[in-house]
Amino acid sequence: DAGITQSPRHKVTETGTPVTLRCHQTENHRYMYWYRQDPGHGLRLIHYSYGVKDTDKGEVSDGYSVSRSKTEDFLLTLESATSSQTSVYFCAISELAGEGGEQYFGPGTRLTVT
Amino acid sequence: KQEVTQIPAALSVPEGENLVLNCSFTDSAIYNLQWFRQDPGKGLTSLLLIQSSQREQTSGRLNASLDKSSGRSTLYIAASQPGDSATYLCAARTGGGNKLTFGTGTQLKVEL
Repeated sequence: DAGITQSPRHKVTETGTPVTLRCHQTENHRYMYWYRQDPGHGLRLIHYSYGVKDTDKGEVSDGYSVSRSKTEDFLLTLESATSSQTSVYFCAISELAGEGGEQYFGPGTRLTVT
Repeated sequence: KQEVTQIPAALSVPEGENLVLNCSFTDSAIYNLQWFRQDPGKGLTSLLLIQSSQREQTSGRLNASLDKSSGRSTLYIAASQPGDSATYLCAARTGGGNKLTFGTGTQLKVEL
């Protein structure tokens, strides 16, 4: 298994509070991604990174920000959590772009916003 | 915008049966297509990656095919076992940034 950890694994928070989720990899892969998984919607890309300090938006980026100050860490921040952000969040990594870039996923973080 | 569809949403088969899971995509300009397995409450495990220049890819009892012109991929599972019970997801990579577009999955149950 690819060396990807996510923390915390479970979190319950109140509406309006800031939340930061962490993804840590030991594979030295260049690309990192944050997805959310919701029933009926499948997995949707929130943000991704193509290098240290290089990030871009995905399909559902509103209300989320990211940072990557080191190759191994990719942080997802919910500035002011809302109930619509209750979801399971997955981090993924890949080494290559284009055809070769197989993605590997972390174990997920279950976030509940009350 | 790429859209990925998986039919059926759920499938129940007896042990030992060969089965095919379907995945279709609307934009044929893909870099590759990846199949995943997800067990309840777990993350995604990559099963097979088919490059856009390939027609099929095999791993053990699994065989995935890709037909870009028709926008279809299939995952063939031979001699199914109860341990194959899981949700199977396909995802297509299009555009820059290695972005994957996922289908909503097929939930497979293999019964004894």
